[in-house]
Amino acid sequence: DAGVIQSPRHEVTEMGQEVTLRCKPISGHNSLFWYRQTMMRGLELLIYFNNNVPIDDSGMPEDRFSAKMPNASFSTLKIQPSEPRDSAVYFCASRRTGENYGYTFGSGTRLTVV
Amino acid sequence: AQKITQTQPGMFVQEKEAVTLDCTYDTSDQSYGLFWYKQPSSGEMIFLIYQGSYDEQNATEGRYSLNFQKARKSANLVISASQLGDSAMYFCAMRGFTGGGNKLTFGTGTQLKVEL
Repeated sequence: DAGVIQSPRHEVTEMGQEVTLRCKPISGHNSLFWYRQTMMRGLELLIYFNNNVPIDDSGMPEDRFSAKMPNASFSTLKIQPSEPRDSAVYFCASRRTGENYGYTFGSGTRLTVV
Repeated sequence: AQKITQTQPGMFVQEKEAVTLDCTYDTSDQSYGLFWYKQPSSGEMIFLIYQGSYDEQNATEGRYSLNFQKARKSANLVISASQLGDSAMYFCAMRGFTGGGNKLTFGTGTQLKVEL
């Protein structure tokens, strides 16, 4: 089991550029979550999917953020245009419905917008 | 809505001693789950232990145990025989099974440092 795989591990981009973060959940897991971690706000849920369908996107900061899950094995989080305040660690997590625990996190993407 | 409160921003413990990290929660759900995660300086989130609200026994996983007091809405993590490798940030989280949906809500974390 390879775990939740996120790419890239680190991203440095200039303000105004488009940024795409990628996530491959654990095979068989049908819920996928995107979290953002900052010193000021801690860990906050941005959006989550069940069976590839977005269920709750109330945490997405604004229209500059969008997330997709075209199939069960891949999701993207896109920021366009990026701003310095988007600098954070972005985590993807997945779990299998019916398992009360078992939220597995990826290693995160550290995004720096300069 | 769920709310997790961790009131200890930082804790120190001597190696081989036990330490308790505090967590209180608030929810309107009758059924919920409580989690603890460890985040070392390398940044990954490592699942430690889980407690269901209807579990009668306190959860244990090796040196980790969860002191669950439902009436007080507390879910403290106890680490026994601390090791240097336990130095990390620790997060308490919960999931409500009805109103909370499928998501985890996290506390602000406690930074634990284990000293020789």
